[in-house]
Amino acid sequence: GAVVSQHPSWVICKSGTSVKIECRSLDFQATTMFWYRQFPKQSLMLMATSNEGSKATYEQGVEKDKFLINHASLTLSTLTVTSAHPEDSSFYICSARRGGISEAFFGQGTRLTVV
Amino acid sequence: GIQVEQSPPDLILQEGANSTLRCNFSDSVNNLQWFHQNPWGQLINLFYIPSGTKQNGRLSATTVATERYSLLYISSSQTTDSGVYFCAVDGSGGGADGLTFGKGTHLIIQP
Repeated sequence: GAVVSQHPSWVICKSGTSVKIECRSLDFQATTMFWYRQFPKQSLMLMATSNEGSKATYEQGVEKDKFLINHASLTLSTLTVTSAHPEDSSFYICSARRGGISEAFFGQGTRLTVV
Repeated sequence: GIQVEQSPPDLILQEGANSTLRCNFSDSVNNLQWFHQNPWGQLINLFYIPSGTKQNGRLSATTVATERYSLLYISSSQTTDSGVYFCAVDGSGGGADGLTFGKGTHLIIQP
């Protein structure tokens, strides 16, 4: 398999502050990474597709100005939750593929709590 | 978009029992994966199976792409098998798309 690492595993922040989450592919290059969100006892929902060297593509209903995505290299994508509010509290998880249509691997996830 | 339905939503079994989890999807897919989400939230890859049959120890999976369903079999269940099992698909629109997840099957294995 392939290894995708996500950091931090959990974070608590104050309302109004910003939080950055990192997603790294450790043993392969990923031109595309994906960000998902999971609320308690619910399924995973795709938020956005992160493309290396270009703008991210956001799913309908996801605020691109609140969830900033940067894919600066072939092994790193970051998700920044800006001006976080309690309703942004959730489990955020990233995934990557070695290339094209292939098996997706997921990071460990980040549990965000906004107080 | 593509729809994914999993059944049953909840399943409680005794240790040693066998189980079958089902995933129906509404359109052709390039990719179908089964995951086990552990209590810490990590998604564990079980199978990458857009078609055909695969086996890994006590687990096996079959996808019948023409009939748009996949089955995950767990034999001789252990308490460590407890958790949520997700089926996720990538539609056949071309290129690498994000996965659409079903709502999952919550499996509880009692000792």
